[in-house]
Amino acid sequence: AQSVSQHNHHVILSEAASLELGCNYSYGGTVNLFWYVQYPGQHLQLLLKYFSGDPLVKGIKGFEAEFIKSKFSFNLRKPSVQWSDTAEYFCAGGSSNTGKLIFGQGTTLQVKP
Amino acid sequence: NAGVTQTPKFRILKIGQSMTLQCTQDMNHNYMYWYRQDPGMGLKLIYYSVGAGITDKGEVPNGYNVSRSTTEDFPLRLELAAPSQTSVYFCASSDKQGENTGELFFGEGSRLTVL
Repeated sequence: AQSVSQHNHHVILSEAASLELGCNYSYGGTVNLFWYVQYPGQHLQLLLKYFSGDPLVKGIKGFEAEFIKSKFSFNLRKPSVQWSDTAEYFCAGGSSNTGKLIFGQGTTLQVKP
Repeated sequence: NAGVTQTPKFRILKIGQSMTLQCTQDMNHNYMYWYRQDPGMGLKLIYYSVGAGITDKGEVPNGYNVSRSTTEDFPLRLELAAPSQTSVYFCASSDKQGENTGELFFGEGSRLTVL
């Protein structure tokens, strides 16, 4: 069955610390992968996406993610977090064939000033 | 520039009542989705549609129904509301880019409480 799982449910960091959030997917065939962010009181917005090509994808606000096919992973990274990065982060995976898009459980990131 | 519009934003239902959450988009997107968001559970896909007249079940379809008679509209119906359906519901749409599913555009959400 198609699934997306996120390892970390709640992460607390100090400002300027480095961030890595794990995401694993279980899909057959061609997969499209996304990271979305939900700031407090707002709806989800796209951080970055991977369809094909260069496995290292750069998104908005200094975020990047690396698609590692052999590990079925698409981890999100940021070298130095800011207090404004406090939010909930969701990994999502979709099938090119069906259009079905599944989300992981989400990771709450709290950045202490 | 409306994007994805959901109504109502808030609703309280009694057990056994029925209601429809409305969703409309003005971006001419083929794909539309309904998700529910519960604390610690992320977003769960209820139903989705790849075009007018076509709908399919997602991860948690039980207790819900959808229809897609036009490209713009994708209403979600709860026939017999249950407390387990207390949640925040998000409608989303995307445009298929070639062979790839594109970025999702979300509505602002509908908070439903069933008492």
